[in-house]
Parts: sequence; structure tokens; C-alpha cells
Amino acid sequence: KAGVTQTPRYLIKTRGQQVTLSCSPISGHRSVSWYQQTPGQGLQFLFEYFSETQRNKGNFPGRFSGRQFSNSRSEMNVSTLELGDSALYLCASSLDATNEKLFFGSGTQLSVL
Amino acid sequence: QKEVEQNSGPLSVPEGAIASLNCTYSDRGSQSFFWYRQYSGKSPELIMSIYSNGDKEDGRFTAQLNKASQYVSLLIRDSQPSDSATYLCAVTGTGFQKLVFGTGTRLLVSP
Repeated sequence: KAGVTQTPRYLIKTRGQQVTLSCSPISGHRSVSWYQQTPGQGLQFLFEYFSETQRNKGNFPGRFSGRQFSNSRSEMNVSTLELGDSALYLCASSLDATNEKLFFGSGTQLSVL
Repeated sequence: QKEVEQNSGPLSVPEGAIASLNCTYSDRGSQSFFWYRQYSGKSPELIMSIYSNGDKEDGRFTAQLNKASQYVSLLIRDSQPSDSATYLCAVTGTGFQKLVFGTGTRLLVSP
């Protein structure tokens, strides 16, 4: 069974640009959560999607957005990039909205110059 | 007070010893508890889950939960150098997020 797939693996952008990250959950999993991981802050929750609807959102500015498609694949977008957005962005899938076991993808390492 | 607290370490143990990793949480409503292992440059990997007070064993790993003390621990018996990683404690959130993570404890197992 294939795991969670995230693309791209690495990204280098400059301030002011925007970026789109993609996540394909484990087959059969319908809930997708996104986390930002930095050395100082650890894993910070961005948002969670289930059935194409955003269920929850963390304390991030509106520059961070996401969506989920009918096949459960998810994308997140960051607009007007700032240096502080440099981080590892992790996508995690779970079976459904109530299942708490999260399985993580390999992540996208974003560097903003 | 952070919602999930872990000592950042590093915790250094010799090969073959027992490594004890600890975690405290603030939300008494939390019902499910998880341990993730994260190797440097890799993503977190789920290694243990525990839902009720007491011990749960899986191979060399034992998770311990004490809800009254709001305390979760992970014991690794017969530690191996390949166990060297950061261990993240995760607790179900009762607010807006499914899981709340601690910042992790770095474990170093020396040969």
C-alpha cells in the first residue's frame, strides 16, 4: 500500500513569490492535515481537510490556504512568501475525520531567499 | 504553559540500555496518545499509540500512560544506535486540531 506522497520534495523561492504544495493521501484515507515544522517551533498545525471541506485551521495568516479535491488529494498554497516561511511542510493523512492516527508524507522542504 | 511538553535532550544512553522518554500534557480532555519517531531529515513515523492508563508493549517499546498525572512515557529496551532519532509525543486536541505535538526529545544511543 503506497504511503502519503508529497511533491515537490524541495523548493527554493524568493520573497514575494507564491508556492503550491501537493499531497496524495494513503489510498482509502479521506482526511488530510498539514503541518509546518521548524527547528524552533516544532510541528505547527496549519489546517485539516475532509470531504473537500476545511474542518479546522491553525493560527496562520491568510497567506496560507489549502483545498482538497474529490479524490482526497490536497494542495496548500502560500502567497507573498516571507523569509520566515522557510520550513518543512508535512502532510498527514488519516482514515476519516474522527480517526486520530496520522501518517506523514516525506514533506516539502521550502527555502525562501 | 505549552500544551505538550518534552525535554529537548539530547538524552544519551549506551547501546543495550533502557531509554526513557517523557511527556506531559495540559488538556485533561485528551483521550489518545501517540509516539512518533523522526530521523534527521525524514518525516515523523508512528511507532506507538496508547489510549488507557497503564502500559502497552510492542517489541522493545513500552508506552506508559497516567491520565491522573497527565503523563505519557516511552521506554525503549535494549537501545540500538539505529534508535537514535527525535521522538515526538502527540496528544489528541480538544480544540481545533486533531493532534498536538511536543517539540520532541532527541535520543542518542552510543555503540
